[in-house]
This record gives sequence, structure tokens and C-alpha cells, in this order.
Amino acid sequence: KAGVTQTPRYLIKTRGQQVTLSCSPISGHRSVSWYQQTPGQGLQFLFEYFSETQRNKGNFPGRFSGRQFSNSRSEMNVSTLELGDSALYLCASSSGRSGVVYEQFFGPGTRLTVL
Amino acid sequence: GDSVTQMEGPVTLSEEAFLTINCTYTATGYPSLFWYVQYPGEGLQLLLKATKADDKGSNKGFEATYRKETTSFHLEKGSVQVSDSAVYFCALRKGLLDKLVFGAGTILRVKS
Repeated sequence: KAGVTQTPRYLIKTRGQQVTLSCSPISGHRSVSWYQQTPGQGLQFLFEYFSETQRNKGNFPGRFSGRQFSNSRSEMNVSTLELGDSALYLCASSSGRSGVVYEQFFGPGTRLTVL
Repeated sequence: GDSVTQMEGPVTLSEEAFLTINCTYTATGYPSLFWYVQYPGEGLQLLLKATKADDKGSNKGFEATYRKETTSFHLEKGSVQVSDSAVYFCALRKGLLDKLVFGAGTILRVKS
């Protein structure tokens, strides 16, 4: 089974620009979660999508948004980039079925650098 | 709110040494507990998990026991290898559909 794939792997943007990151979950998985990893704040939850609906949301400003398509692929968008948005963005997929302690499978991440 | 506290690193050990990485948590109810490992340039991999008190998770020689009385989930390995060098994250999840809450991570360096 192919793992979680994230594109692009590396991205360099300048302040004020916007960026879109993509995540393809493991086949059959319907839940996709996004996390931001920085040296200062560690791993922080951004949001989770299940069957095209946002099911859970972290404490990030509205500049961070996401969506999920009918094939479970997900995108996250960051508008008006700030220097502090430089981070590794990790996507995780799972089956998302209720009633089961399911495992989240992580992708390799997208390294975003904001100059 | 819910939180996870891990021992600060880096932890530097010689090959075949005993490893302990401490993890304690604060949460109401009965969270599930996890250890994830991140190798350089890669995403996170689930190492082991425990879903209720006194459960022991184990994988690849690593073990951790869910201790509700001390709210702890310490990671142990009897004999580390150079290939175990990585960052280790302790995490909890409150509900079955809830987000993961991670600790800050502990860097482990094993020298030959």
C-alpha cells in the first residue's frame, strides 16, 4: 500500500504571498489531519477533514484554511504569509472510523520557508 | 488544557546502553497514549500505543506502560543501536476522533 504523499516537499515563498500544500492519503483512508512543526512550538494541530467536512480545528488564525476533495485528497492554504509560518507541515491520514482507536499515518512533510 | 511533558534532550547514549525517555501527561478522562519516532528528513512513524491503564505497548524492542496513577508513559529499550538515533515524541488523544497532542520531542543520539 502506498503511503501518505505530500507535495511539494520544499517550498520557498516571500512574506505576503499565499501557498497551497497538497496531501494524498493512503488509499481507503477518509480522514486527513494537518500539523505544523516548528522548533519553538513543536507539533501543533491545524485541522482535520473527514469525508470533505472539517471535523476538528486547532487554534490557528483564519489565514490557515483547508479542504478535502471527494477522493479524500486534501489541500491546505496559507494566505498572507508571515515569517513565523516557516515550518514543516505534516499531513496524516487514517481510516477515521468512529469507535476505533485508529492509527494516524504521517507523510514526509512539506518544508515551507518564508523569506 | 491537555498537555504532554517529555524529558529534555538531547539524550546521548553508547550503543547497547539502556534507554529511558520520560513522558507525563495532563488530561481529564482516559486518553490513549502514543510514542512516535521521527528520523531525519522524514515524517512521524507510530512506534507504540496504549489505550487504557496498565496496558503495555511494545514494538522493535521499545516498551512503554500506561500508568494512570502517575500519569506517565515512559519509553524504554534495553539495548539501543545507532539506528535508533531519532527524535521521539510522546502524544495523547482524548477521544477516538480527537486530535493528537504532542510533547516537545526528545532527541536521542546513539554513538558506536
